[in-house]
Amino acid sequence: AQSVTQLDSHVSVSEGTPVLLRCNYSSSYSPSLFWYVQHPNKGLQLLLKYTSAATLVKGINGFEAEFKKSETSFHLTKPSAHMSDAAEYFCVVTTGSARQLTFGSGTQLTVLP
Amino acid sequence: DTAVSQTPKYLVTQMGNDKSIKCEQNLGHDTMYWYKQDSKKFLKIMFSYNNKELIINETVPNRFSPKSPDKAHLNLHINSLELGDSAVYFCASSQVGDAYNSPLHFGNGTRLTVT
Repeated sequence: AQSVTQLDSHVSVSEGTPVLLRCNYSSSYSPSLFWYVQHPNKGLQLLLKYTSAATLVKGINGFEAEFKKSETSFHLTKPSAHMSDAAEYFCVVTTGSARQLTFGSGTQLTVLP
Repeated sequence: DTAVSQTPKYLVTQMGNDKSIKCEQNLGHDTMYWYKQDSKKFLKIMFSYNNKELIINETVPNRFSPKSPDKAHLNLHINSLELGDSAVYFCASSQVGDAYNSPLHFGNGTRLTVT
């Protein structure tokens, strides 16, 4: 069994300040983890992905995430928020194929000028 | 050059009607999906096809019927539409195998509103 919990439904940051979007997972086996971003009226776009390699994963647009097995976390960070980062972010877990993805409930990121 | 394209983008219809949503992918993937995103942004898989064969059929009313004429197309037909069917429907594709090496590619969604 697997599950994923996004700890914040909404996060607001000022432009130029750091972003932290929190995700905890539960999995019976070694998971693969993903972050997807959804801009308004758009489909989901892959930001980054993790499997059993390096624990710090770099993605597109300056985002990165760190896998911490002891904390069962996979938080998404960015050093400096940009207005274009405003979107919905989804943490996703699977222990196998793309058919077995479990999506988190999403975190709405607002970037204030 | 859109990788996964869905039509229509918006669909407004009355209860009881029948409607279809079309999806096409040009990525050469062999697996396609339909997801439903509700008003709270929660995403749930509905169907998955691999090379035109139905692989996943979650607990979805029989009024929903997917059809895959070839591995690049997956359409969704909905009969007797109900108010609760209002949602955004996403088509996605991937290559068979582990999700890490073949993550999902999503279309831009079809916003269905049933009045």
